Amino acid sequence: QSALTQPASVSGSPGQSIAISCTGTSSDVGHYNYVSWYQHHPGKAPKLMIYDVSNRPSGVSDRFSGSKSGNTASLTISGLQAEDEADYYCSSYTTRSTLVFGTGTKVTVL
Amino acid sequence: QVQLVESGGGVVQPGTSLRLSCAASGFTFSSYAMHWVRQAPGKGLEWVAFISYDDRNKYFADSMKGRFTISRDNSKNTLYLQMNSLRADDTAMYYCARAWVPYSGSYNFDYWGQGTLVTVSS
Repeated sequence: QSALTQPASVSGSPGQSIAISCTGTSSDVGHYNYVSWYQHHPGKAPKLMIYDVSNRPSGVSDRFSGSKSGNTASLTISGLQAEDEADYYCSSYTTRSTLVFGTGTKVTVL
Repeated sequence: QVQLVESGGGVVQPGTSLRLSCAASGFTFSSYAMHWVRQAPGKGLEWVAFISYDDRNKYFADSMKGRFTISRDNSKNTLYLQMNSLRADDTAMYYCARAWVPYSGSYNFDYWGQGTLVTVSS
């Protein structure tokens, strides 16, 4: 199972919006609406930001939103803030009852 | 509060075995599916294995299938990962993580341990 493809890095200025793509296949991202996004600050536990493509857990800012089209999911961060600087990983349930993570995207706030 | 504490990591030679443990506290362990996730140095997250809350279902990533075994002891609130035939590319920080919805086969995680480092080197 190959990792889902994410851009290595995305950057933006405070207040801007950025989008991170996550491309898989018809056996994972394209098959189920079970795509999640995690925010990972180095040295800390990853935090679930989006689940089931577009749902936010309680307590997650509404500046974070998710969507999906075909085999590609996206995470959008609007009103970018310094605290958003972190690594972001998508994940998807697969047709083999496994989970695959994305390659990870480093978000830099300029 | 929910706590997950991994242990059992260390430096081992290729081809040998290691068993990791994850001690859980602060919640009803037997109600939650659990996962192992790893992160190699400088690399991204990689899902390793899943075990259902009732121990009935277990799934593994392809690269670990046949070499790794996941188990749990609900009476001891402990999750295990038995790793055999270890290879250099198994070198990673290994995390246990809790499925975020009880009595489900959720593949979303709400709590993670701090990790235990496994280094496979001759």
